[in-house]
Amino acid sequence: AQKVTQAQTEISVVEKEDVTLDCVYETRDTTYYLFWYKQPPSGELVFLIRRNSFDEQNEISGRYSWNFQKSTSSFNFTITASQVVDSAVYFCALSEAHDYGGSQGNLIFGKGTKLSVKP
Amino acid sequence: SQTIHQWPATLVQPVGSPLSLECTVEGTSNPNLYWYRQAAGRGLQLLFYSVGIGQISSEVPQNLSASRPQDRQFILSSKKLLLSDSGFYLCAWGSQEGYEQYFGPGTRLTVT
Repeated sequence: AQKVTQAQTEISVVEKEDVTLDCVYETRDTTYYLFWYKQPPSGELVFLIRRNSFDEQNEISGRYSWNFQKSTSSFNFTITASQVVDSAVYFCALSEAHDYGGSQGNLIFGKGTKLSVKP
Repeated sequence: SQTIHQWPATLVQPVGSPLSLECTVEGTSNPNLYWYRQAAGRGLQLLFYSVGIGQISSEVPQNLSASRPQDRQFILSSKKLLLSDSGFYLCAWGSQEGYEQYFGPGTRLTVT
């Protein structure tokens, strides 16, 4: 069965520190998609990135980087030189490509990691 | 560009009262639409999804129902609210071709 685990419930760092948010997933599918979302205090979920299972290249976007490793079923998210504005809850999510009982395309979310960046 | 609207932003309702939350999407056609609930704590629970007008799939048995009367309109309803219906309700849309979903600003519902 598909599952996303974010073992870190809360992380607190001081501004300018680097921080890595862990995500481990389980899926029966060979083709799947992984996502990260940010939920600031306002509540709206903001889409950050999608990664396809057949593309293991790591990605960097400004201070954000993502490390996808199929061998360990992990899709970790690193924020470099964290800032107070990075304070939010971050969700990792999984979507399978094939239709298992009508669930194709539905996102399976982890429980989220609350990141607090202190000045 | 696409935008997604939800209203109301906040709502306080007594137990036993009806509920209607609305979600509309602009700038796209034939989107997949989703309703999620986020209770105290942070997990997101998928409630309903729709791949087309009049097509609703329910993920969990509950006191709520959903309808899609128009291509870009998704409504979440209840005839009689329960205390356990309190939470943060998020609507999302996704394209038929892609897998990411884009979320609205949410409605914070408190049932008293």
